[in-house]
Amino acid sequence: GENVEQHPSTLSVQEGDSAVIKCTYSDSASNYFPWYKQELGKGPQLIIDIRSNVGEKKDQRIAVTLNKTAKHFSLHITETQPEDSAVYFCGRGAQKLVFGQGTRLTINP
Amino acid sequence: GAGVSQSPRYKVAKRGQDVALRCDPISGHVSLFWYQQALGQGPEFLTYFQNEAQLDKSGLPSDRFFAERPEGSVSTLKIQRTQQEDSAVYLCASSLGAGGNQPQHFGDGTRLSIL
Repeated sequence: GENVEQHPSTLSVQEGDSAVIKCTYSDSASNYFPWYKQELGKGPQLIIDIRSNVGEKKDQRIAVTLNKTAKHFSLHITETQPEDSAVYFCGRGAQKLVFGQGTRLTINP
Repeated sequence: GAGVSQSPRYKVAKRGQDVALRCDPISGHVSLFWYQQALGQGPEFLTYFQNEAQLDKSGLPSDRFFAERPEGSVSTLKIQRTQQEDSAVYLCASSLGAGGNQPQHFGDGTRLSIL
């Protein structure tokens, strides 16, 4: 099917610790997997993406890993800061993106 | 500005009225997308344009929803005879090329409330 399952739905982390959000999908044809951060009243902001020919990608404190065989991908945020608090969405697809249900991440100072 | 611009930011309409939502994509972006985001949910695809051609409208919920991009730049999403279930945030996104697997850049959306 088309759905993307995202877990957890809420995540509370102590400032400075790491946060991990996982998504699974079933469509074998998916080749593009973006992650978006959405703050209240704003549109989703692309923070990192990965294509199916790559297993891992890192950008400063943010990394994404992809396991195409198992059909899951994860977002890793290290050294979390209060400004990381937001709702995070994973997506998959080509033109048309299918999104997960979102994870509300709270960073506790 | 350099980003995707949507207007109005907020729209309140009475049930049965028609509404029109506007999207100005990033200049030069070939592809334009509309998504609907219900409260507490992820965005859901509505329709996709490549230049002025509407290549996919599989996500439009009913024939009350209509989208156009006549000159391959600005797009308008129109909802006729609005109903309460149409209340949502409508997001527009654009991407540079015509192919898939490219970053989509979102605007801040139009929050539509149907009374």
